[in-house]
Amino acid sequence: KAGVTQTPRYLIKTRGQQVTLSCSPISGHRSVSWYQQTPGQGLQFLFEYFSETQRNKGNFPGRFSGRQFSNSRSEMNVSTLELGDSALYLCASSLGHRDAGANVLTFGAGSRLTVL
Amino acid sequence: GNSVTQMEGPVTLSEEAFLTINCTYTATGYPSLFWYVQYPGEGLQLLLKATKADDKGSNKGFEATYRKETTSFHLEKGSVQVSDSAVYFCALFLKGYSTLTFGKGTMLLVSP
Repeated sequence: KAGVTQTPRYLIKTRGQQVTLSCSPISGHRSVSWYQQTPGQGLQFLFEYFSETQRNKGNFPGRFSGRQFSNSRSEMNVSTLELGDSALYLCASSLGHRDAGANVLTFGAGSRLTVL
Repeated sequence: GNSVTQMEGPVTLSEEAFLTINCTYTATGYPSLFWYVQYPGEGLQLLLKATKADDKGSNKGFEATYRKETTSFHLEKGSVQVSDSAVYFCALFLKGYSTLTFGKGTMLLVSP
């Protein structure tokens, strides 16, 4: 089956602009999580959506937002970009069972954002 | 809070050497534990997992045993290959949270 698809793979923006990243999860997966990966901070959790509702949120400013559509596809948006937002943004999908013993996340290849 | 601590890298080994990457965790509950691997230019791939104490996860020659008494989940491989060069992430998952908490990752470099 198709994996998690993220678009675009690479993009360059300038400070003050905004960006929207897209994630198409594995068919049947209802949960989509977003992570920011940087050399200094490692992998940091941004937020998780399940059935179109934000279920968890990490410790990021309000400039970072997301949404999920009825087909489980998700987008994240970063407004008023700063240099420090340069990172690899990873999306992961799963069945989203909170009570499962092991909720396996499947990751996309990521969207690499460079802010100049 | 919940956290994962991994040994700092890079870990540099010759082909066929024995690999250990240490991972310890702190959790408010009883977590499931994972190792993910990230090859250059790619996303993360699940390598192995364990859901309860004394479970051993294994895949592609890699192994890790869930040690509740030492809150550890060390990754081992008996004989590494050049193709194992990647960044390895230890992570935990807690019931009721639906998100993974990752360590900072350990880069492994294997030379021929």
